[in-house]
Amino acid sequence: QVQLQESGPGPVKPSGTLSLTCAVSGGSVVTTSRWSWVRQPPGKGLEWIGETHHSGNTNYSPSLKGRVTISVDEVNNQLTLKLTSVTAADTAVYYCARAIPSLDVWGPGTTVIVSS
Amino acid sequence: DIQMTQSPSSLSASVGERVTITCRASQSIGSFLNWYQQKPGKAPVLLIYLASSLHSGVPSRFSGSGSGTDFTLTISSLRPEDFASYYCQQNYSPPYTFGQGTELEIK
Repeated sequence: QVQLQESGPGPVKPSGTLSLTCAVSGGSVVTTSRWSWVRQPPGKGLEWIGETHHSGNTNYSPSLKGRVTISVDEVNNQLTLKLTSVTAADTAVYYCARAIPSLDVWGPGTTVIVSS
Repeated sequence: DIQMTQSPSSLSASVGERVTITCRASQSIGSFLNWYQQKPGKAPVLLIYLASSLHSGVPSRFSGSGSGTDFTLTISSLRPEDFASYYCQQNYSPPYTFGQGTELEIK
């Protein structure tokens, strides 16, 4: 079955760009499914970031719009998330998930700390 | 944006008890409501989709109901492994917002 695994470069400096990938195994990223990113700040609840489809159709949270880009990398069978102009408020565990449209498969999450 | 409000924010209960968690949407969302369970340090797990459909592999003691703006998640008889946080999410209209969560603790 489909499995997801997030990865990222580690700490990010304020005003920098956060870049994450989500490797898809056991299936193709080119499907009828959509793919989402969700984040969870320390000790807080879940926040929907946005979603994409391999066709390029995307939806983003208005609170992040203008800073966030989600895309599908068909060659490497993965998703990508880019978030620009980060601040400490972007420190969180970031999850990728398959949307059918409920989020039925999740990656284990990757922690991103924004700090100078 | 559609706001999702869960109640209670936290709940203490005993093994074997029946518990109900409520989720209210700020506008009608039909049946486009999902429920997730999350344990500490782990990713959320889908329990219920389309308000009342049990996701594959989820025990039958979990059930969901409701439509429009008011929804409930019921656990008929709590087991030790059910003590976790629970989140509702609407997927009627983007952004697909989550409720703030309900932490279910052992009494």
